[in-house]
Amino acid sequence: DAGVIQSPRHEVTEMGQEVTLRCKPISGHDYLFWYRQTMMRGLELLIYFNNNVPIDDSGMPEDRFSAKMPNASFSTLKIQPSEPRDSAVYFCASSQMGGQGVGEQYFGPGTRLTVT
Amino acid sequence: ILNVEQSPQSLHVQEGDSTNFTCSFPSSNFYALHWYRWETAKSPEALFVMTLNGDEKKKGRISATLNTKEGYSYLYIKGSQPEDSATYLCINSGYALNFGKGTSLLVTP
Repeated sequence: DAGVIQSPRHEVTEMGQEVTLRCKPISGHDYLFWYRQTMMRGLELLIYFNNNVPIDDSGMPEDRFSAKMPNASFSTLKIQPSEPRDSAVYFCASSQMGGQGVGEQYFGPGTRLTVT
Repeated sequence: ILNVEQSPQSLHVQEGDSTNFTCSFPSSNFYALHWYRWETAKSPEALFVMTLNGDEKKKGRISATLNTKEGYSYLYIKGSQPEDSATYLCINSGYALNFGKGTSLLVTP
């Protein structure tokens, strides 16, 4: 397996534009996570899905952020409209249920978003 | 989802110092404890998965212990190096997921 795939790897956009980040989890994994990392706020869990259903989105910063998982092999994180404070590295991770609950998370390489 | 507490929130040590930090969780709500190491702008690295009370795991200079009865795990780093600078995240990972906010470690030469 190629691991968790994220695209694009880098995105530079202007304030007010819509941004869509994409993630393909590892085949067979039934959990998918979106994280954000910034110098100011550190590490934040934004949302996670189980079997394509959002389980907890309490980390989503505001209504400008939305995430979907239309099928087991694809998820998007959308920011509309984007703002400079959204600049961060966004990571996607996937995992699967094991004998002792949810197993190790496997992370994608991240998308570095810069909003000017 | 944050009934996992990590302390301290941040830590600054000198190269060569040994250090440790804590992950606390409700002992009545324990499944498995995962430790991740997360350097800024890099993909996180899974360090340990611990499930049994008394578990001790080691990876190089980093080790971890687990006490499920009292609800905590310690992560130790022996002889810290600048490359250990990262955020260390613990997750109580069962049928629900409970995340700590991480301990940010900075090791300066």
